[in-house]
Amino acid sequence: DTGVSQDPRHKITKRGQNVTFRCDPISEHNRLYWYRQTLGQGPEFLTYFQNEAQLEKSRLLSDRFSAERPKGSFSTLEIQRTEQGDSAMYLCASSLKGWWGNTEAFFGQGTRLTVV
Amino acid sequence: GQQLNQSPQSMFIQEGEDVSMNCTSSSIFNTWLWYKQDPGEGPVLLIALYKAGELTSNGRLTAQFGITRKDSFLNISASIPSDVGIYFCAGRGETSGSRLTFGEGTQLTVNP
Repeated sequence: DTGVSQDPRHKITKRGQNVTFRCDPISEHNRLYWYRQTLGQGPEFLTYFQNEAQLEKSRLLSDRFSAERPKGSFSTLEIQRTEQGDSAMYLCASSLKGWWGNTEAFFGQGTRLTVV
Repeated sequence: GQQLNQSPQSMFIQEGEDVSMNCTSSSIFNTWLWYKQDPGEGPVLLIALYKAGELTSNGRLTAQFGITRKDSFLNISASIPSDVGIYFCAGRGETSGSRLTFGEGTQLTVNP
């Protein structure tokens, strides 16, 4: 396993279009996170899953955003009716929560979204 | 909500110099993390701190969890050109659950 994988790496879309990003976590990791990072800022938390359950969502995750992790493995993040303000790097991370404790999150390389 | 103030925003140093950056929080954190991010890549974890007062090293990097639990610092000794990048502090508060709050980053430039 080579780490957290995100696809695509770059996406350019027209305002108003829908986009979907995919994240494949490290295979044994049961937790999966989505963060958004705008230029010059640190990542901001969007949502996280434990297995297939979405346990927490940020207020940043508006109604146009939806995330799924249907089988507890890969996850998708969809943005409907994109706006220019959605332009950002979308980062996925995964971690392992076990009976012994937790690992910290490992991040993927991100998907850079540009809305024109 | 929780906020992290990270300073300095940027640093320009000569190779071989030591570097220090810090992070302060408006509320108590029970975990402090330091990440490095290269252009076009995701953040990579450098050091994790879990106890107030804890001092942890990773090669030339040393980080400390402040006694007040509201601050942390990262030192890099004998900097080299590959230290260039953006360094982020991140933390989890008592009510954060699994979410991390990140600072705004310190852009480090190392001149050979």
